[in-house]
Amino acid sequence: GAVVSQHPSWVICKSGTSVKIECRSLDFQATTMFWYRQFPKQSLMLMATSNEGSKATYEQGVEKDKFLINHASLTLSTLTVTSAHPEDSSFYICSADRGAGNTIYFGEGSWLTVV
Amino acid sequence: GQNIDQPTEMTATEGAIVQINCTYQTSGFNGLFWYQQHAGEAPTFLSYNVLDGLEEKGRFSSFLSRSKGYSYLLLKELQMKDSASYLCAVSPFGGATNKLIFGTGTLLAVQP
Repeated sequence: GAVVSQHPSWVICKSGTSVKIECRSLDFQATTMFWYRQFPKQSLMLMATSNEGSKATYEQGVEKDKFLINHASLTLSTLTVTSAHPEDSSFYICSADRGAGNTIYFGEGSWLTVV
Repeated sequence: GQNIDQPTEMTATEGAIVQINCTYQTSGFNGLFWYQQHAGEAPTFLSYNVLDGLEEKGRFSSFLSRSKGYSYLLLKELQMKDSASYLCAVSPFGGATNKLIFGTGTLLAVQP
């Protein structure tokens, strides 16, 4: 079964509103989680590294004030898209690191549509 | 900078063998991953290479040459369900463990 869960799986929101996406590690603690965005027919683009108990580290070109990341516990990271616009419509995926090596688990992904 | 290149699209025949190449230039190297992704779904882990050589897992094999910045994914006995995007991803040294930089992805179409 899934070891990383995302919620919601899909969401539609109005332009100008904010939407929150949750990423949970189900049976392990994750001090680090990652948020990716994927536009249709494109690959995954790393947005930010979510660090438990500290500020997220954003990749170049990603607006930290628009994409708010909170990692308040060892099993939960949230991504809030603030003042969403249609161009923010995308597939957002999180991943969690269970340990060293090839122990990366992806969430199921969240489809965001801004109308 | 980080640069990971893959062919954009490939076509192969059911039952055949296909090789998907990936070249990378990254600030460091802490392992290379291959993922399969069907449209609208999250990536599924296929393989992980951190040392040079071939890793075999059933119908899938992955090869790595660190000196050449090169990897390939080999799919044998192709099935229709193998039609998907195949993503090469590198974990660069110096960042958080398992921070992945993804390549452009290769869309594989398996034909009867």
